[in-house]
Amino acid sequence: DAGVTQSPTHLIKTRGQQVTLRCSPKSGHDTVSWYQQALGQGPQFIFQYYEEEERQRGNFPDRFSGHQFPNYSSELNVNALLLGDSALYLCASSPGGLSTDTQYFGPGTRLTVL
Amino acid sequence: AQSVTQPDIHITVSEGASLELRCNYSYGATPYLFWYVQSPGQGLQLLLKYFSGDTLVQGIKGFEAEFKRSQSSFNLRKPSVHWSDAAEYFCAVGARGNFGNEKLTFGTGTRLTIIP
Repeated sequence: DAGVTQSPTHLIKTRGQQVTLRCSPKSGHDTVSWYQQALGQGPQFIFQYYEEEERQRGNFPDRFSGHQFPNYSSELNVNALLLGDSALYLCASSPGGLSTDTQYFGPGTRLTVL
Repeated sequence: AQSVTQPDIHITVSEGASLELRCNYSYGATPYLFWYVQSPGQGLQLLLKYFSGDTLVQGIKGFEAEFKRSQSSFNLRKPSVHWSDAAEYFCAVGARGNFGNEKLTFGTGTRLTIIP
């Protein structure tokens, strides 16, 4: 049973560019959450997707957007990249629905903005 | 809004010694509580979780944690650490929303170093 997978592993971009990160949830999970982890910090919640809709959002600007596909995979898009967007981006999946559930994390995508 | 405090940024422990990592949370109701571990350059691995019931929870790799509502704490313990336990440890609180566990709020982490 594959866990949460993310691609790419590493990415280097320049300021002002746009980037798309991808996530495939754990089998049987229909909810995907995205987190940003700056160096030396704990992960910060960006948003969560369920049934192809953004269900909840953290304190991130509109430059951060996402999408969930019918197969539950998800993308995180960041426009107009800033140096401060350099971070490890983590995807987490969970069973969702009206239940207590645990979020399982992928290995992350390391984004460097130059 | 919920928050998590991990007061110890860095802890050094001798191999074979006991370990306790501190975590205090702020949340208006009974929270979901988690401990995750992160090795360098890796994602987060779940060690254990508390949702309800028995306040002493057992996790993987010999870790346990105790939920103390009166102290708003969820400290992680291990009786005897191994060199492989060296990593970054994160405590997190989950918001009980309309859809279950909707988002996690993490502490800033405690880096654990093991010395021979």
